[in-house]
Amino acid sequence: EAGVAQSPRYKIIEKRQSVAFWCNPISGHATLYWYQQILGQGPKLLIQFQNNGVVDDSQLPKDRFSAERLKGVDSTLKIQPAKLEDSAVYLCASNMGGQETQYFGPGTRLLVL
Amino acid sequence: AQTVTQSQPEMSVQEAETVTLSCTYDTSESDYYLFWYKQPPSRQMILVIRQEAYKQQNATENRFSVNFQKAAKSFSLKISDSQLGDAAMYFCAYFTSGTYKYIFGTGTRLKVLA
Repeated sequence: EAGVAQSPRYKIIEKRQSVAFWCNPISGHATLYWYQQILGQGPKLLIQFQNNGVVDDSQLPKDRFSAERLKGVDSTLKIQPAKLEDSAVYLCASNMGGQETQYFGPGTRLLVL
Repeated sequence: AQTVTQSQPEMSVQEAETVTLSCTYDTSESDYYLFWYKQPPSRQMILVIRQEAYKQQNATENRFSVNFQKAAKSFSLKISDSQLGDAAMYFCAYFTSGTYKYIFGTGTRLKVLA
């Protein structure tokens, strides 16, 4: 069974530029999560989808971050415009509805200069 | 609100020895799950072990075991016969089926000394 896929793995941009990350969850997993992990910290939930609906986006900086999960499968997270403090690893995770264990992708490491 | 606390930012253990990583949490719910995740330097987060709150028996997975003290809201991870490959960040996480939301601790960096 294929795991959670993410791309790109690394991205370097300058502040005020825009960037997009892509995530493809494990097949059949209804719930998809985007986390931001700043160096030395635990993952912080940005947004949680159930199928193609948003369950929780309370910690998503909506003035610059947006996310969508069209068709309830893969998802895109966008930052526009990026700030220096957005430098972090962006993790995507998924789990099957009714199951508790979530599975993580390899993450996208973003560096904003 | 639920919180997860890992009070040990860094731990060291000699190869083949045993180490225990601490985690405490706060919740008013009775039905929840607890996890330990491992994040090696490559950054892929991997599930180590999980514990259902309704189960009194402590979970074990080969060299990994937990000490789950529900009343004390404590969930520690014991790694026996430590190996060099165990070196990583370890995150404790809490999950509630009410919101399908996970809350992570700040992590403990484990160093394994040869």
